[in-house]
Amino acid sequence: NAGVTQTPKFQVLKTGQSMTLQCAQDMNHEYMSWYRQDPGMGLRLIHYSVGAGITDQGEVPNGYNVSRSTTEDFPLRLLSAAPSQTSVYFCASSSSQGKLFFGSGTQLSVL
Amino acid sequence: KQEVTQIPAALSVPEGENLVLNCSFTDSAIYNLQWFRQDPGKGLTSLLLIQSSQREQTSGRLNASLDKSSGRSTLYIAASQPGDSATYLCAVTRGNKLVFGAGTILRVKS
Repeated sequence: NAGVTQTPKFQVLKTGQSMTLQCAQDMNHEYMSWYRQDPGMGLRLIHYSVGAGITDQGEVPNGYNVSRSTTEDFPLRLLSAAPSQTSVYFCASSSSQGKLFFGSGTQLSVL
Repeated sequence: KQEVTQIPAALSVPEGENLVLNCSFTDSAIYNLQWFRQDPGKGLTSLLLIQSSQREQTSGRLNASLDKSSGRSTLYIAASQPGDSATYLCAVTRGNKLVFGAGTILRVKS
């Protein structure tokens, strides 16, 4: 019953540091995606993947990298953290019908 | 560019009232539309998924409609309860990308 698992739940970084947000799903979904949620703005798509080895950019990809070496895992890397990347990050996977399943989120602060 | 707007931004109603949340989108060439619920500090939970060929979906006290030609969807909540208090978001899918509205914050008073 794990669904989509995100780690860590909270993270504080200094400007310029790098880190990886982890995301794993156990539903054998091909589609996975990363979003950031900022106050009053809903969720914005960062990157997505339609299967292992395939990734593409969303609406706000700058400053983030992704890879998809397995169906289960879809990590998000912040290359050089900036205060503008302070946000709540959500990972999601999608069934073949298009229903999205979300992780519980990572609250990131960049000082 | 697809834009999704949700009205109202916030809504406060007494318990037991029926209510309607609105979602509008600018590009009618969508694959599907979903309504989500988000509780404070939590992730999103999918409530209803309407495929582009469908007009509505129902789950318990929730009913969502879709009118692609006018670029609108409504989420109807019957007999609201305090436990319905949350943020409700709609999202449309085109190709492999989802675009979300900013959400409606609902408070149901007991």
